[in-house]
Amino acid sequence: NAGVTQTPKFQVLKTGQSMTLQCAQDMNHEYMSWYRQDPGMGLRLIHYSVGAGITDQGEVPNGYNVSRSTTEDFPLRLLSAAPSQTSVYFCASSYQYNQPQHFGDGTRLSIL
Amino acid sequence: GENVEQHPSTLSVQEGDSAVIKCTYSDSASNYFPWYKQELGKRPQLIIDIRSNVGEKKDQRIAVTLNKTAKHFSLHITETQPEDSAVYFCAASTGGGNKLTFGTGTQLKVEL
Repeated sequence: NAGVTQTPKFQVLKTGQSMTLQCAQDMNHEYMSWYRQDPGMGLRLIHYSVGAGITDQGEVPNGYNVSRSTTEDFPLRLLSAAPSQTSVYFCASSYQYNQPQHFGDGTRLSIL
Repeated sequence: GENVEQHPSTLSVQEGDSAVIKCTYSDSASNYFPWYKQELGKRPQLIIDIRSNVGEKKDQRIAVTLNKTAKHFSLHITETQPEDSAVYFCAASTGGGNKLTFGTGTQLKVEL
């Protein structure tokens, strides 16, 4: 079991560029989430999914899109990168509601 | 939405002493409260969790207490060791999406 795998680990973008952060899990978890972590602000929920084909917004969804076509994958798309999106992005998954969430290693994203 | 406040933001203790971190939440419907430990540059890792039908849970040197009436929960670490030094986050989950709202973290430093 690889757990939750995020790619890439590091990325530098220019303002206005778009990109997709990849997240895959091999634990057959139904629930998947994306968080961003900024200094002094903890982790904030961007989008989440309760199963294939079902997604919903979290606390800070603006500027991001998600889709969930399979149970395993939950990519996060930045539509037009802005410096305010410089952050560390974590993907997490859990088997069910109110079960422990397992985090990936994160993607460190810098937008110039 | 849910709001989680965490105190203190930094905590320094001597090795062998106890450490206590406190969190309050705003949504009385929250029913799942995990605690995560995050070492520098690493992913958050679950250390203990508690559900709203339980008042206290213990795992070796770590314990969590929950007071639903007052809407606060606390992490207790006894016999602290240098490897306990890390940032600790509390979180609360409300609703069916396993949506976690995190506190802003406590930097724990265990000094020799």
